Amino acid sequence: EAGVTQSPTHLIKTRGQQATLRCSPISGHTSVYWYQQALGLGLQFLLWYDEGEERNRGNFPPRFSGRQFPNYSSELNVNALELEDSALYLCASSLVGIGQARGSEAFFGQGTRLTVV
Amino acid sequence: GNSVTQMEGPVTLSEEAFLTINCTYTATGYPSLFWYVQYPGEGLQLLLKATKADDKGSNKGFEATYRKETTSFHLEKGSVQVSDSAVYFCALSLRGNRDDKIIFGKGTRLHILP
Repeated sequence: EAGVTQSPTHLIKTRGQQATLRCSPISGHTSVYWYQQALGLGLQFLLWYDEGEERNRGNFPPRFSGRQFPNYSSELNVNALELEDSALYLCASSLVGIGQARGSEAFFGQGTRLTVV
Repeated sequence: GNSVTQMEGPVTLSEEAFLTINCTYTATGYPSLFWYVQYPGEGLQLLLKATKADDKGSNKGFEATYRKETTSFHLEKGSVQVSDSAVYFCALSLRGNRDDKIIFGKGTRLHILP
């Protein structure tokens, strides 16, 4: 069974541009989470989508946005890129929302490495 | 608020040494606890989990016990291998619509020397 897939694996953009990152969850999973892993900062929660709706977002500015499609795949958009947006962006999926079932597991993709120059 | 604190790295050990990575948590409610591992250049993989007090999660020789009284979930392995070199993240999740996310510690980088 295919795991969580993310594309592209690497992305280089210049400051001020827009970046679009994509995520395909494991088949049957309806919840998708996005995390930012910047150097030395651990994993910061960005967004949670479930059943096509944004359910929660972390402490990030509005230029970080996304959506979930009817097939449960998801897109993360980052507008007006800044140098500090350079990071590994990780997508995870779970069968149900993490908080809906005790011990519900999230499965992570390999990430997209975004570099802003 | 809800948070996870784990020991700062990097941790450097020789092969076959005993490993402990400390993790403590603060949570409003009764969390599920996880250890994730990130090998170089890869995403995160779930290593083990525990969902209630005194549960022991185990996988690939790693173990961690959910200690509610000390709010801890320390990771241990009796004999580490070079292939265990990675970054280890302690994490928690809580039930409830608004906190429906995994909260991670900052990660501990582990280097195992042959």
